[in-house]
Amino acid sequence: EVQLVETGGALMQPGGSVRLSCAASGFSVSNNYMSWVRQAPGKGPECLGLMYTGGSTYYAESVEGRFTITRDGSKNTLYLQMNSLRVEDTAVYHCAREDSSGYFAHWGQGTLVTVSS
Amino acid sequence: EIVLTQSPATLSLSPGERATLSCRASQSVSSYLAWYQQKPGQAPRLLIFDASNRATGIPARFSGSGSGTDFTLTISSLEPEDFAVYYCHQRSDWWTFGQGTKVEIK
Repeated sequence: EVQLVETGGALMQPGGSVRLSCAASGFSVSNNYMSWVRQAPGKGPECLGLMYTGGSTYYAESVEGRFTITRDGSKNTLYLQMNSLRVEDTAVYHCAREDSSGYFAHWGQGTLVTVSS
Repeated sequence: EIVLTQSPATLSLSPGERATLSCRASQSVSSYLAWYQQKPGQAPRLLIFDASNRATGIPARFSGSGSGTDFTLTISSLEPEDFAVYYCHQRSDWWTFGQGTKVEIK
């Protein structure tokens, strides 16, 4: 069974940094297209970035240069390093896996990041 | 960036009624459009992909149609568990989502 479990969310100050983790089971993160998607309170989801099987990464303009996606195949875990945090980064952060349909078929429950002074 | 506009924002219906949700794209996305259902405290669930294909395990009462810029999600007869927020999502150019339609019990 495919499972994704995000951890690492916290209350952060503007300008701070945090790293989120997404532990996967039932499949290999290295052999799948993986994404981070966030959802601000009362808003629709926003795709932040993707990592392809070859390791290439692509980011939304809103986080380019501040956020970085990495993975550790030995731990079967995807990461999101978030730097220079802003109040508007407050959201629930989900990792998601694309299946053969090309869409986000599997999602974790998410972890909450709150950025506030 | 392709903007997806969903209407209506809220749909108030009774169980057994038909629900029709709309999603309009700011430019053509061909058929690269999906629909998700989200319940409070849960992650989104993929319902429909490539405009009209049901995802694995999705009941036949859910159907999608459209291409280009105009898309529709239809729930033929609402079950109690269908009351939720629905999002459309395109992958034609980057990946963007609509702002959602809430289907609530009337």
